[in-house]
Amino acid sequence: DPKIIQKPKYLVAVTGSEKILICEQYLGHNAMYWYRQSAKKPLEFMFSYSYQKLMDNQTASSRFQPQSSKKNHLDLQITALKPDDSATYFCASSQDWGNYAEQFFGPGTRLTVL
Amino acid sequence: GDSVTQTEGQVTVSESKSLIINCTYSATSIGYPNLFWYVRYPGEGLQLLLKVITAGQKGSSRGFEATYNKEATSFHLQKASVQESDSAVYYCALSDRGNMGYKLTFGTGTSLLVDP
Repeated sequence: DPKIIQKPKYLVAVTGSEKILICEQYLGHNAMYWYRQSAKKPLEFMFSYSYQKLMDNQTASSRFQPQSSKKNHLDLQITALKPDDSATYFCASSQDWGNYAEQFFGPGTRLTVL
Repeated sequence: GDSVTQTEGQVTVSESKSLIINCTYSATSIGYPNLFWYVRYPGEGLQLLLKVITAGQKGSSRGFEATYNKEATSFHLQKASVQESDSAVYYCALSDRGNMGYKLTFGTGTSLLVDP
């Protein structure tokens, strides 16, 4: 059974719309993260959470808002979508935040903005 | 800031042949970073393949090896004899002591295709 679930797997949106990317982890981890990979670019760190609290935000735009309703959930709301937001978004988790804890990744959500 | 460079975007190797995927890095923190290789098989999430946290040490897993070369700032991935099941995308990454090790910085990835 998959331990980190991301929904949906594929998502197509129109410019200016809003979407929510879902992430749930069933590893009992206390820290969760979002990364993004645009075409021909490396995976890029976006956010980290520990016990549902934001620890670091390295996304310049306020259009990206993580939402943690439960300890094992970290959704990503994206508003006013732009074509440049097209990317694969990966959720990850680790037992604890910091201390070089191994991060486990989900399969990703591929977002295309038209 | 930190950076990781993988020069090959795609590599094709015949089954049973040897493989090397190049990785060099630059880290800004005092000291030196932890280094990782992650792999993404088709339809799956990234999985940690191996990690090395001490300069000069070698990590190994599933027949793959990588040596942490602090002088050359390199962490190349090697395998003596590849199998078709090794076809995947391989990512070199580092975590920097300067940010407490929670943030991974990745290379662009190398797609490996093993011809049967």
